[in-house]
Amino acid sequence: SQTIHQWPATLVQPVGSPLSLECTVEGTSNPNLYWYRQAAGRGLQLLFYSVGIGQISSEVPQNLSASRPQDRQFILSSKKLLLSDSGFYLCAWSLAGVEQFFGPGTRLTVL
Amino acid sequence: ILNVEQSPQSLHVQEGDSTNFTCSFPSSNFYALHWYRWETAKSPEALFVMTLNGDEKKKGRISATLNTKEGYSYLYIKGSQPEDSATYLCALKDSNYQLIWGAGTKLIIKP
Repeated sequence: SQTIHQWPATLVQPVGSPLSLECTVEGTSNPNLYWYRQAAGRGLQLLFYSVGIGQISSEVPQNLSASRPQDRQFILSSKKLLLSDSGFYLCAWSLAGVEQFFGPGTRLTVL
Repeated sequence: ILNVEQSPQSLHVQEGDSTNFTCSFPSSNFYALHWYRWETAKSPEALFVMTLNGDEKKKGRISATLNTKEGYSYLYIKGSQPEDSATYLCALKDSNYQLIWGAGTKLIIKP
């Protein structure tokens, strides 16, 4: 069966510090991978998606970046966090055209 | 730009009562509509994937209908229970097989 892992579960970081969130998927090959953010009181916003190793599509211009160094690994990064980066970050996977399965999420607070 | 709207934004329902809420979307170039249930401190979980006009899906006390010609889907919950409290998200699949998410309806069941 497939599983998706995200870490850390919670993170408190000062403004201007770097960020690295990791997501890994097990039990499937060549999945589509997604990074979402839910800001307070808002819906899910797609940040990045990837259809293969090294292929990243950005949906929203911002100070975040994503990388996919391996087939089942998706990393969300920032060089310098902003207050507005606070939120709940979700990683998800899918096989093309089918429903998405979400990880447990990371609660990021930028102070 | 596709826009998916959900209403109401939040809903308080007495335990035992039935309720419903709406997801609206552009009716042209329809591919699929997804419903997800997102409990606090958990990951969103898929409820239904609906593809055909007139589709009706059911899972226990929860059911959903789809009208692609007029661009809406209803989610119904019969005999609400405290464990139904969650945010219910709908998402429209676009031509690139990505999901465009609504902001969700937050359902609170009052005992």
